[in-house]
Order: sequence, then structure tokens, then C-alpha cells
Amino acid sequence: GENVEQHPSTLSVQEGDSAVIKCTYSDSASNYFPWYKQELGKRPQLIIDIRSNVGEKKDQRIAVTLNKTAKHFSLHITETQPEDSAVYFCAASIAHYGGSQGNLIFGKGTKLSVKP
Amino acid sequence: DVKVTQSSRYLVKRTGEKVFLECVQDMDHENMFWYRQDPGLGLRLIYFSYDVKMKEKGDIPEGYSVSREKKERFSLILESASTNQTSMYLCASSPTGRNEKLFFGSGTQLSVL
Repeated sequence: GENVEQHPSTLSVQEGDSAVIKCTYSDSASNYFPWYKQELGKRPQLIIDIRSNVGEKKDQRIAVTLNKTAKHFSLHITETQPEDSAVYFCAASIAHYGGSQGNLIFGKGTKLSVKP
Repeated sequence: DVKVTQSSRYLVKRTGEKVFLECVQDMDHENMFWYRQDPGLGLRLIYFSYDVKMKEKGDIPEGYSVSREKKERFSLILESASTNQTSMYLCASSPTGRNEKLFFGSGTQLSVL
């Protein structure tokens, strides 16, 4: 089955710097890669996702890149702010168009701390 | 806005007790999931359901069962609670189709003593 590795497990940056979190997956059939953010004491929430027919996607200060050949994808946060401090989870699944979806397999998470 | 509601935020049970964790969603989603979250281990899928009365095992189903008698409700059952089941339990739902976005509940922190 699918296996998702996420690095680093903790990341500390100064406010205004960039942060990069990397994930690798094992199943080449995976075609959907979301990122979830979980603030302390709160539920995980989807912040951005990418499908395998796209190499990069941006939404304001966050971007995700996908390298299908190497089977890895990354989350990039620019101009970090203290409110970006949270645990970030990557995930991968096989989405079947028009049929049942594949289950999301999550990485173990990265705790991002943004120091003011 | 989608609401996924878990019945308890904190729960303390004794070893050997039968424990029920309830989850209700109000957006008519077909898919519902139970995850377990432990520090350093991420989110691990226990059971999921794509339809009423349907259930499938996830990655760590041992010691758990589920029930989905109605579309909006998905229950996780610990048949005989053990200390290694102390954890944060997260319920999630999603609609069928290309949109696989998961909507999570706020979680139940279960302590088994």
C-alpha cells in the first residue's frame, strides 16, 4: 500500500522567512496530494491540494510543487507569520474519477514554529 | 458551512469498558472516516464507510468496530478498551466525487485508565 514520508518533523523559522516541508510517496498511482494545517487544539483543515496533472499550484503565500518522476511533493510558505505556526500534514491518495475515492494516507506531520 | 460534530471532547474510561464515540455530519456526505492521532505518528485510518451500512477496515482496525445505520452518523466502538487506545480520535466526512476534501470534527481525547 501507499506510504508517505514527511520531513522535517519540526521546523523553526524567523518571521518573514520561507518554510519548506517535503513529502515522498511510494505508490506511483497516487494522483491527489492535499496539505492540511492543524493549529494547536483545533481540527485539521485543508489549505491547498494538487493533482498529478499539475506541477505547481499557488494560493497567496503558499504553494505546492509536485515531481511525479521522483514521487515527491513540497509545501512552500513565503513571508511566514506567527499565525502560520501549526502542525502541517501532507497526504496522498488515488482518486478514481466518477467512482469511489482512494483513502488519504497521511505523513506524520511537521510542527512549524514561526518566531516573531 | 459543513459541520462534523463529535459527541465528546474529552472522555475517560476504564480498561475493559466498551466505549462508543459518536460522529454526526450535516452535509449529506456519503463518506465518513475515523482517524486516530498520536504525537509523532500523524493521522492513521481506523475504519471508513462510503455508504450506509457499509464499512471497510483502514490501516489499524484491530480492537475497533464501527456502525453506520444512518447516512449522517458514524460510530466508533472500542469493544474492550485498553490503555494503548488512549489517543485523540478524529472523525471526518467528505462528499463522493473528485472533491476529496476531508471535513474533520474537533476530536475526542480518550484516556483509558
